[in-house]
Amino acid sequence: KNEVEQSPQNLTAQEGEFITINCSYSVGISALHWLQQHPGGGIVSLFMLSSGKKKHGRLIATINIQEKHSSLHITASHPRDSAVYICAVKGGNQFYFGTGTSLTVIP
Amino acid sequence: DTGVSQDPRHKITKRGQNVTFRCDPISEHNRLYWYRQTLGQGPEFLTYFQNEAQLEKSRLLSDRFSAERPKGSFSTLEIQRTEQGDSAMYLCASSLAQGSGYTFGSGTRLTVV
Repeated sequence: KNEVEQSPQNLTAQEGEFITINCSYSVGISALHWLQQHPGGGIVSLFMLSSGKKKHGRLIATINIQEKHSSLHITASHPRDSAVYICAVKGGNQFYFGTGTSLTVIP
Repeated sequence: DTGVSQDPRHKITKRGQNVTFRCDPISEHNRLYWYRQTLGQGPEFLTYFQNEAQLEKSRLLSDRFSAERPKGSFSTLEIQRTEQGDSAMYLCASSLAQGSGYTFGSGTRLTVV
């Protein structure tokens, strides 16, 4: 069993839709990261969370430490949001990564 | 450019050859991480440096893999006697300290033929 589970694995949405990607983890963590990976492979760090909620533009990330669960929300989705979104948790000195959610936003 | 840079972006090599990748972290970051990502999977931790000291190595890092960060700045990852199973994206990330933000490089995509 992976330390980090994401759902859904694949997601197709119409432009403008509200999107939610979920992440559950089983290890003790010091922080949780949401990452965005584009087809070329480069990774951009979107959020680092240790509690509560963070918002950046149309992106919102929440974490519930007791339930070991985090969600990434995208409001008013746009085709340029199409990417793979990866949940990563920091346990000790290393990351554990989910396998990612591939998001396609259709115009 | 103040991000994490990796070189080369792409590498195609014949099985059995040695390859070396380079990562230049953000200059003030003292922590540097290497990850490997195979197709359809999330990245997997390989190794981690604090300054020039290699503090942790994954069991994924076989004897054919070696990483160095000689002056605590850039790092190299060498794979000897490459195998087809080594084909993957090799990602580097850096951070200032534990608990601070991480910056990832664009990765080096290795194809072993």
